[in-house]
Amino acid sequence: GENVEQHPSTLSVQEGDSAVIKCTYSDSASNYFPWYKQELGKRPQLIIDIRSNVGEKKDQRIAVTLNKTAKHFSLHITETQPEDSAVYFCAATLGGGADGLTFGKGTHLIIQP
Amino acid sequence: GAVVSQHPSWVICKSGTSVKIECRSLDFQATTMFWYRQFPKQSLMLMATSNEGSKATYEQGVEKDKFLINHASLTLSTLTVTSAHPEDSSFYICSARGFGGGQDYFGPGTRLTVT
Repeated sequence: GENVEQHPSTLSVQEGDSAVIKCTYSDSASNYFPWYKQELGKRPQLIIDIRSNVGEKKDQRIAVTLNKTAKHFSLHITETQPEDSAVYFCAATLGGGADGLTFGKGTHLIIQP
Repeated sequence: GAVVSQHPSWVICKSGTSVKIECRSLDFQATTMFWYRQFPKQSLMLMATSNEGSKATYEQGVEKDKFLINHASLTLSTLTVTSAHPEDSSFYICSARGFGGGQDYFGPGTRLTVT
């Protein structure tokens, strides 16, 4: 089955700086890679996703890059704000099918004021 | 956007009893629903995949006789934790996926505490 590795487990950055979280996956058949933000006790919220036919996607301060050859994808958050503090999870799956998501272990992002 | 609800949001039960959790897609039909479990400060782990009108598919290590899943309609899936034990205490989250794939929509989760 799929295995997703996520690094770092904790990331502390100064407000206004950029944050980068990296994930690798094992199953070359995976073609859908979402990123979720989860606040304590709440449901995961989709913040951005990318499919394997695209190398990069951007939505305002958030971007995701995908390297299919190396089987890794990264989340980039620019101009970080205090409200960006949360746990972020990457995930992978064979999109469009009936496969569930395999999640990384999560990154606790701390924005220092 | 699409909305998925879960009920109850939290439940406390005694060891040995059973608990049923409902997951509903409120404004769309879900071909597939998924059940995840999340222990404190850990990631979401897929437990099972539920398709309307057919038997659920369980992930390796998940006891199908303990975690009963019923997907009776395109908008409702239920998870019943049978003979619950304290180690079953966790945050259970469902998600729903519509026709043609696309993103998964997560429910708000159910906090189960077994005493």
